[in-house]
Amino acid sequence: AQSVTQPDIHITVSEGASLELRCNYSYGATPYLFWYVQSPGQGLQLLLKYFSGDTLVQGIKGFEAEFKRSQSSFNLRKPSVHWSDAAEYFCAVGPSIYNQGGKLIFGQGTELSVKP
Amino acid sequence: NAGVTQTPKFQVLKTGQSMTLQCAQDMNHNSMYWYRQDPGMGLRLIYYSASEGTTDKGEVPNGYNVSRLNKREFSLRLESAAPSQTSVYFCASSRNQGDYGYTFGSGTRLTVV
Repeated sequence: AQSVTQPDIHITVSEGASLELRCNYSYGATPYLFWYVQSPGQGLQLLLKYFSGDTLVQGIKGFEAEFKRSQSSFNLRKPSVHWSDAAEYFCAVGPSIYNQGGKLIFGQGTELSVKP
Repeated sequence: NAGVTQTPKFQVLKTGQSMTLQCAQDMNHNSMYWYRQDPGMGLRLIYYSASEGTTDKGEVPNGYNVSRLNKREFSLRLESAAPSQTSVYFCASSRNQGDYGYTFGSGTRLTVV
């Protein structure tokens, strides 16, 4: 069965430090990959997505993610974290749009806290 | 602002009561979704509607029903609420099924006592 694993439930980083959030997926074909962010009391907002091509993708708010097929990973990174980045982050996978009936499958989420 | 609107934002129900969660989008999207979010479990799909007039079960449909009232509106009904349905419910929409540019509503926090 298709699945998405975010190994870290909660991460705390200092403001200005670098960040990497891990995401591993299990999927038979090349999936479409996404990162969403959820601020407290809000819905989810799309940060970035990977469909094909360059394996390093840029998103909003200074985030980037790298697709590594050999490791079945799609880790999210940011060089310097800001206090406003404190939120919950979700990795998600979906099959190709050519695969009828595809829907997003979400990971369990990683809560990010930022220390002053 | 254009987007997905969910009502109510908060609700407390007694076990056995029924209620309907409302969702409306004004982006002319064809596909709509209902997810529930529980701690440590991410978002799980309850039901979805690929297009007006169609609905299908997702991963956790038991205890829920849905209605795609028109292209804009997609409601979720709990016929007999149970404590296990205490959760945060999110509605989302996308241009078409398979278009993963989902737009999410701000959620409904439901407590069943």
